[in-house]
Amino acid sequence: QLQLQESGPGLVKPSETLSLTCTVSGDSVSSSTYHWGWIRQPPGKGLEWIGSIYYAGNTYYNPSLKSRVTISVDTSKNQFSVRLTSVTAADTAVYFCARLNSGWHSYWGQGTLVTVSS
Amino acid sequence: QSALTQPASVSGSPGQSITISCTGTSSDVGGYNSVSWYQQHPGKAPKVLIYDVSNRPSGVSNRFSGSKSGNTASLTISGLQAEDEADYYCSSFTSSITYVFGTGTKVTVL
Repeated sequence: QLQLQESGPGLVKPSETLSLTCTVSGDSVSSSTYHWGWIRQPPGKGLEWIGSIYYAGNTYYNPSLKSRVTISVDTSKNQFSVRLTSVTAADTAVYFCARLNSGWHSYWGQGTLVTVSS
Repeated sequence: QSALTQPASVSGSPGQSITISCTGTSSDVGGYNSVSWYQQHPGKAPKVLIYDVSNRPSGVSNRFSGSKSGNTASLTISGLQAEDEADYYCSSFTSSITYVFGTGTKVTVL
């Protein structure tokens, strides 16, 4: 049974860096079949795609976030991570990690709320 | 990239059918068959209902069906049930090798 679990600080100060990790169980982030991605949802709003990574290191980012976001993979820990720099209150959201099949997000983590506030 | 356009809300009575539209451009919905639909109940993670325009993952009710014409994709829920009350989002692969989600539709069962 595939499971994805997000982890990281629930509170980040403005201008600092948001860092989250997704731990995968029941599958391998080294799989050549899938990409692994991040999506976020501000409170009361819709879903926003952040980006994705392939085990070989290929990354793809939402153009609106590209200058601030980095997604990486740690195959030894079966995890992948997202870093978002220079955060503001607008980055307050529930952050989801997900497995991407070819063209769709097949499995999602439960999500973790990150609040940007001093 | 701009979010795909969905109606803010759709409602129907139990047993009825409703359709949710999802309008994009030739660079996303119209250019690829990688359109998917997700159902999200409050406080929960989204769950995929449809992938590749009209395919259902194992375990998803056949009351959910998808289609596409030009730059607009559609999700139809037939035999509406109380448990279908949720938010629904479409998503598409894009020419920039990224994904974009729709604005979301709140479905109310009257």
